[in-house]
Amino acid sequence: EIVMTQSPATLSVSPGDRATLSCRASQSVSTNLAWYQQKPGQAPRLLIYDASTRATGVPARFSGGGSGTEFTLTISSLQSEDFAVYYCLQYKNWPPWTFGQGTKVEIK
Amino acid sequence: EVQLVESGGGLVQPGGSLRLSCAASGFILSSFGMYWVRQAPGKGLEWVSYISSSSNTIYYANSVKGRFTISRDNAKNSLYLQMNSLRVEDTAVYFCARKPFVVDYYMDVWGKGTTVTVSS
Repeated sequence: EIVMTQSPATLSVSPGDRATLSCRASQSVSTNLAWYQQKPGQAPRLLIYDASTRATGVPARFSGGGSGTEFTLTISSLQSEDFAVYYCLQYKNWPPWTFGQGTKVEIK
Repeated sequence: EVQLVESGGGLVQPGGSLRLSCAASGFILSSFGMYWVRQAPGKGLEWVSYISSSSNTIYYANSVKGRFTISRDNAKNSLYLQMNSLRVEDTAVYFCARKPFVVDYYMDVWGKGTTVTVSS
């Protein structure tokens, strides 16, 4: 089973600032990695797939990078609606599909 | 509009059973693989089960294998999760999610979830 580790657990950022979230895989997942945003009481929303491709309707301020075992999600200028929890998912080796434990982006 | 709507959650005693449903609209369910993913209170996301478009391929997480059964009725555009021998640790919000119509196996569309509480 591939273990996904996200850091930091919580990121305190001011609106307008840049945020960089990290996700590490216990073994290579190539670029088979997705990022999701989840707000309280809501379903997860697909942001990025194939490590760097934005899903339909996702603003350009969200960008994904990396390959192999190291990945990043960058939010270039945080808007109020971006404060949420973000999860990475690997879909290289399954089952099981495995998520990171999440990074909470909170207002500083 | 592409939409998934879960139902069937509720309060059940340990050892009990529950059947979750997921109604799809805005797309033809028979063309897509589907997942169940759960989220325990205050916790992260955990994959539970996957079923291919034709039901030929089914997978379960070890934590639910032998207790949960995934199925689908493409004629009714619906996905199901039969949950037996429920445990307190099965308490969670259960989401159904769609595999996109591409080679890759991630989740592109999610329902809002249905809450399952296992407690005496």
